Amino acid sequence: KAGVTQTPRYLIKTRGQQVTLSCSPISGHRSVSWYQQTPGQGLQFLFEYFSETQRNKGNFPGRFSGRQFSNSRSEMNVSTLELGDSALYLCASSSDPNEKLFFGSGTQLSVL
Amino acid sequence: DQQVKQNSPSLSVQEGRISILNCDYTNSMFDYFLWYKKYPAEGPTFLISISSIKDKNEDGRFTVFLNKSAKHLSLHIVPSQPGDSAVYFCAARGNNNAGNMLTFGGGTRLMVKP
Repeated sequence: KAGVTQTPRYLIKTRGQQVTLSCSPISGHRSVSWYQQTPGQGLQFLFEYFSETQRNKGNFPGRFSGRQFSNSRSEMNVSTLELGDSALYLCASSSDPNEKLFFGSGTQLSVL
Repeated sequence: DQQVKQNSPSLSVQEGRISILNCDYTNSMFDYFLWYKKYPAEGPTFLISISSIKDKNEDGRFTVFLNKSAKHLSLHIVPSQPGDSAVYFCAARGNNNAGNMLTFGGGTRLMVKP
């Protein structure tokens, strides 16, 4: 069974641009969550989707958004990028909410 | 305000000995706790979890202990192996329909010396 796949692996953007990150969950998993990892703040929850509906949202500004498609694939979007958005963005999936999370390898975003 | 804290940023242990990683939390609404291991350039990998109704859970070389009154949990690895060298994160989930909304600690880098 393939694991959680995130694309792209690395991304370089400049301030003010917007970016879209993609996540394909493990086959059969319907819950997808996104986390941001930075050296200063550690791993922080962004949002969770289940059956195309946002279930929970972390404490991030509205520039961070996401969605989930009918095939459970998910995208997250960050608009008007700031230097502080430079981070590793991790996607995780599970068969249902409250089940064990499986993480992808992440997308390393650098904002210049 | 950090609700989950791992006060030791690093820990060095000799191969074959016990590794003890600690985690403290402040939120009484947390009712489920997990430990993840992370290698560089990879996503975190689930290790072991414990529900707040238990005080111990064991899986092979890994044991997690929960002390609810102290709001403290610890991960014991016995015996430690060089392949265990990684960053370990503890995470907690609330009992309010939190789903997969986990609150992570800052991580502890474990180095197991051969």
